[in-house]
Amino acid sequence: GAGVSQTPSNKVTEKGKYVELRCDPISGHTALYWYRQSLGQGPEFLIYFQGTGAADDSGLPNDRFFAVRPEGSVSTLKIQRTERGDSAVYLCASSKEGYEQYFGPGTRLTVL
Amino acid sequence: TQLLEQSPQFLSIQEGENLTVYCNSSSVFSSLQWYRQEPGEGPVLLVTVVTGGEVKKLKRLTFQFGDARKDSSLHITAAQPGDTGLYLCAGDFTSGTYKYIFGTGTRLKVLA
Repeated sequence: GAGVSQTPSNKVTEKGKYVELRCDPISGHTALYWYRQSLGQGPEFLIYFQGTGAADDSGLPNDRFFAVRPEGSVSTLKIQRTERGDSAVYLCASSKEGYEQYFGPGTRLTVL
Repeated sequence: TQLLEQSPQFLSIQEGENLTVYCNSSSVFSSLQWYRQEPGEGPVLLVTVVTGGEVKKLKRLTFQFGDARKDSSLHITAAQPGDTGLYLCAGDFTSGTYKYIFGTGTRLKVLA
């Protein structure tokens, strides 16, 4: 079956703009995670959904970051007033029971 | 704040050599996972360990979970160029939350 997909694969934006990053999880997976990965680092936890609700959003760096999963499937990570420091690869993962996370290829965000 | 430290950060070896990478924390893991990530892709799960002292083997890879569940190691026997990649450990510190904290990563390069 299809894996986790993320769109766009690359996004270049200007400082101060708003961006949306989309994640399509594996069908039937109830858990969905967002991570941010800077060059040479491990993924940094941002937020975790169980169904439609955010079970843990403690990793969101500030109130410019927001994520939704309105129907318990597709999720959108929204970043307002982007800053150059937001440049990174944003990874999405989904899981059926929590243990095994399946990652998408990521969205590379560049803020000029 | 839970922190996972991996060592070494970088490793360059010749094909056929053995190697071990380590993942350490000051806190007890509920479960721990090892991933491999290649450039431009998301991490791919290799193994999950749950029980202290547990040893799992995956072909030439041997994973060990420390008795106290604060550390883990990954041993590769007779490394091959195809083993090249970023190896990441990820720990779940609170049972049932499925919130994974990733380590800093070990970048392995195996030369032919």
